[in-house]
Amino acid sequence: DVKVTQSSRYLVKRTGEKVFLECVQDMDHENMFWYRQDPGLGLRLIYFSYDVKMKEKGDIPEGYSVSREKKERFSLILESASTNQTSMYLCASSSEARNEKLFFGSGTQLSVL
Amino acid sequence: RKEVEQDPGPFNVPEGATVAFNCTYSNSASQSFFWYRQDCRKEPKLLMSVYSSGNEDGRFTAQLNRASQYISLLIRDSKLSDSATYLCVVNGGSSASKIIFGSGTRLSIRP
Repeated sequence: DVKVTQSSRYLVKRTGEKVFLECVQDMDHENMFWYRQDPGLGLRLIYFSYDVKMKEKGDIPEGYSVSREKKERFSLILESASTNQTSMYLCASSSEARNEKLFFGSGTQLSVL
Repeated sequence: RKEVEQDPGPFNVPEGATVAFNCTYSNSASQSFFWYRQDCRKEPKLLMSVYSSGNEDGRFTAQLNRASQYISLLIRDSKLSDSATYLCVVNGGSSASKIIFGSGTRLSIRP
C-alpha cells in the first residue's frame, strides 16, 4: 500500500514563527503536492514538484516556500506564519504515468495564534 | 466563476435511495475527470475516473457531458457507509499541476 506520511497531525504556532511541514512518500513517485483545504474553498494547490529540486507555484504560493532535496521528501515552509495560514494542509504524491491518481497524507491541522 | 463548481449540499437521503450530483467545469480544454471521496476528518481518496463513454463501478456510475461541461455521479442503493464528501476533480492540462478540485458535495445517508 502506498503511504504518504505527514510529520504532524496537529500543530499550533505563533504569528511570525517559521514553520516546517514535512511529507514523505514510499512509492518512488515523481510528483508531490502541497494543498491547503479550507471550508467552502476546497483544496487549493500551494506548490507542486515533479522531480528532485524542481518545483512549480500553484494557485496560492504567497507566504510559502518548498524544498525537495530527495525524491521521497517534500517540505512546506511558512517563512513567517500568519493567522490567515491557519488551515488543513494536505500533502499528496502521484506517479508520472498516472498523475491523476493522487495519494494523500492524513493532513496537518495548523493553527496560527 | 470558479473553475470547478459543485453543489455543496448537504444531500440527506434514506438508505437504499438513489442519489445523483453534478459538477460543472469552465475550461473546455479539460482533458480528464475524476471523483474523489473524502470521509470526515480524513484525506481524499480516488473513487473513480470519468470516461467520455460513462463508466460504472458497482453501485456507482459516472458520466461526462463535454458539450455542457459537466460530470455526474450516481449512487444506487445507497448505504450508510456512502456518507462522505464527494470531490469533483478536473485535469485542465497534461501536467499534474493543472488538477483542480471542486469544494465537494456532502452526502449524508440516514437509516
